[in-house]
Amino acid sequence: SQQGEEDPQALSIQEGENATMNCSYKTSINNLQWYRQNSGRGLVHLILIRSNEREKHSGRLRVTLDTSKKSSSLLITASRAADTASYFCATDVQGNEKLTFGTGTRLTIIP
Amino acid sequence: DAGITQSPRHKVTETGTPVTLRCHQTENHRYMYWYRQDPGHGLRLIHYSYGVKDTDKGEVSDGYSVSRSKTEDFLLTLESATSSQTSVYFCAIRKGQGERKTQYFGPGTRLLVL
Repeated sequence: SQQGEEDPQALSIQEGENATMNCSYKTSINNLQWYRQNSGRGLVHLILIRSNEREKHSGRLRVTLDTSKKSSSLLITASRAADTASYFCATDVQGNEKLTFGTGTRLTIIP
Repeated sequence: DAGITQSPRHKVTETGTPVTLRCHQTENHRYMYWYRQDPGHGLRLIHYSYGVKDTDKGEVSDGYSVSRSKTEDFLLTLESATSSQTSVYFCAIRKGQGERKTQYFGPGTRLLVL
């Protein structure tokens, strides 16, 4: 089973609204990362939050991490049409040289 | 974009034929990865490499082999392609250390096995 599970699987919102997507995972982690994938392209790294951090910002992105609940959320504020993409969380487990990706949230921004 | 290229970008092949996909990087990164992406499954790791001639299996390695004879090239081979191996294949490199390791992806190869 996937270490990271995103919720919801798909999300459609109006341009200008905020978009929130969630990720749950099962084991202790070093860090959790969010990636974006535009249609037909490779994944692009967005933001990384370490296990001892609770919140992190990067431009219009805000990531939170709750290690007690083994969950993270990605908030995109003031959404734009260009934010239409799939978003994946990935977990990095200590001692493991691999990332484990979730199945993604498909975000559609309606102009 | 971390200087990662994949070739070919698209391939159609027949069941039972061998197929080799190439990943090339220009920044001398030690770690390289091969994933496949399928609807409903996200990205799944096939194999990865932690140096020249050093490779290890991922979660979906059956039916695939890899080789890394040079730092810059990581090859993925389907010895005898099957229809279940129709997928989009992504190569990635790892940057960073410790708690700040991140991955950077190539553009992908779309493989159709008929």
